[in-house]
Amino acid sequence: QQQVKQSPQSLIVQKGGISIINCAYENTAFDYFPWYQQFPGKGPALLIAIRPDVSEKKEGRFTISFNKSAKQFSLHIMDSQPGDSATYFCAASGPNSGGGADGLTFGKGTHLIIQP
Amino acid sequence: NAGVTQTPKFQVLKTGQSMTLQCAQDMNHNSMYWYRQDPGMGLRLIYYSASEGTTDKGEVPNGYNVSRLNKREFSLRLESAAPSQTSVYFCASSATWTESYEQYFGPGTRLTVT
Repeated sequence: QQQVKQSPQSLIVQKGGISIINCAYENTAFDYFPWYQQFPGKGPALLIAIRPDVSEKKEGRFTISFNKSAKQFSLHIMDSQPGDSATYFCAASGPNSGGGADGLTFGKGTHLIIQP
Repeated sequence: NAGVTQTPKFQVLKTGQSMTLQCAQDMNHNSMYWYRQDPGMGLRLIYYSASEGTTDKGEVPNGYNVSRLNKREFSLRLESAAPSQTSVYFCASSATWTESYEQYFGPGTRLTVT
């Protein structure tokens, strides 16, 4: 049973455009929702994270939108740049998470390509 | 400050061989984790250690054992490697599992089992 569903699997966006990646979760006990960025051959790195007491969080060009009632959250990358080309993972964690106590439960990832 | 380090970076094993993946962090974090990453599957939690002296199973623990050697080090052992364990393994650490879930990942170990 996949507890965090991520879409799309791959995404191509023109330079300067907006990249949008969506995730949906099932476990209502989740209380922490991070996005990780991963470049080829590297480990994932935390990009931005949100807790369910707010509906939006912005850090520079990156914004998380959170809809608690729909159990969905999304990552928006404004003014997308070629350097943003990477794989992005949404994740969730919290008490009794399906990933095992306080480990992260990850989506399957989105391969983002920003075309110059 | 090296963050999370993992050794080795690459390893090829034959079916049935054993090996230990090493992980160390220098951030004084309480919790440490082992994940595996397979194409199209995201990362899946194998084991975690909330604090020194404790370990717990994650989503995919079968075929693995772990040891939290001290606060800095958390090792993952494959007793009898199988081709299904071909994967990239990531170690991660976080400051405290009760207050912050932010996890810092190492560079990974790419393991091939033939």
